[in-house]
Formats: sequence, structure tokens, C-alpha cells
Amino acid sequence: EPEVTQTPSHQVTQMGQEVILRCVPISNHLYFYWYRQILGQKVEFLVSFYNNEISEKSEIFDDQFSVERPDGSNFTLKIRSTKLEDSAMYFCAGARGSYEQYFGPGTRLTVT
Amino acid sequence: AQSVTQLDSHVSVSEGTPVLLRCNYSSSYSPSLFWYVQHPNKGLQLLLKYTSAATLVKGINGFEAEFKKSETSFHLTKPSAHMSDAAKYFCVVSDLTAGNKLTFGGGTRVLVKP
Repeated sequence: EPEVTQTPSHQVTQMGQEVILRCVPISNHLYFYWYRQILGQKVEFLVSFYNNEISEKSEIFDDQFSVERPDGSNFTLKIRSTKLEDSAMYFCAGARGSYEQYFGPGTRLTVT
Repeated sequence: AQSVTQLDSHVSVSEGTPVLLRCNYSSSYSPSLFWYVQHPNKGLQLLLKYTSAATLVKGINGFEAEFKKSETSFHLTKPSAHMSDAAKYFCVVSDLTAGNKLTFGGGTRVLVKP
């Protein structure tokens, strides 16, 4: 059964550094998402992406964040200058249509 | 705006006894609702979904949920808990008008005692 994969599983970075989180969605999915979960808190929506453009973004998704699908398979989330409060588990998700989303295992980002 | 409230942050059950996880939602239109499960140090796995078909929805691993519009509820049940059911469960509503973003409840952690 196809799965969403994410790399790396754990990323440690220093404050102010750029990070890129990578996701490989299921091949026939058309809609892509990033969510994050700060330790002990709710899972929060960051951004949705369809047809090579952002379709919706949350207040969290400010100018420090960007997404792209550079080669038709990978889906990346970039944080340009990380802050301590960016430490969280980041989940990528994909969907074929407008219903269920399939999540990857997550990338734990630790900003020191 | 949509919201989800999971009424219990923790539920403790004995193995072999029923499990009930409560969820209430708020939505301005007919919602799509989901339950996801997160095992320790794992990602989010879809348990079941409601998308305006049958109000009683069956999912994986013996779980089911009933959509009650009059009560704005979508409670998750299982007749007999298994040790492997110990995990965190999230009730989720989908916003079709906003890029299909998911809004998560706070989650209910289930502890299963032998």
C-alpha cells in the first residue's frame, strides 16, 4: 500500500538557520498540505497546495514559510530563519480529492 | 469558522471493555468528519470518515462512529478495547471552503489497562 514519506525524521537546527522539510506524497494525490503539532498541543493547519499554488494558508504561515513542488513528486516546506517557537512535529498530508487526507510520519524539528 | 471539542483529554479503560470517545463539532454547513489515531512516536492514521452518506460509520480495527446532526456530535466507540488501542485519538472536521483544511480537536489519550 502506498504511503506518504517524510525526510528527515528528526532535524536539529540553530535559531536563524534555514531548514527544508521534505515530503513525497502518494503518486496519484493532487492536494497537498502541511500541518504542525507543537509538543502537547493541537495539530494545526499551515498551508494547502493545489495545482502548483497555495490554495489556503493559516496565520502561522507567514513570510518565513514557503512551499513548493519542484519536480512533480517532492513537496517541500522551507522555513527561512527558524525561531525557537518553530520547534514542532511537522506533518505532510496528501489527498486525491476533497475528502480524506493521508499523513506522513512527520519530521520532528528542534530549534536550539 | 469551524471547531472541534473533544470532551475528554484522557480516557482509561480495561481491556475487553467498551471505549467511548466524545466529540462535538461546530460547522456552518454540512461537515465532513474524521477520526485519526496517533500511536506513540508515529504519524496520524485515518480510522474512519463521515461524508454525508450513512450516519453510522465503520472504520478500521473495530471502531465506529455515529454522526448526530441534532447534537452536533461524532462520538467514536469500540465494543471491546485491546491493548493495542492505547494511543491518542483526534476528531477532525474538514473545511471544504478553505482549501479543505482540517481542524483538529485537542485529542483524547486512551489508556488500556490489562
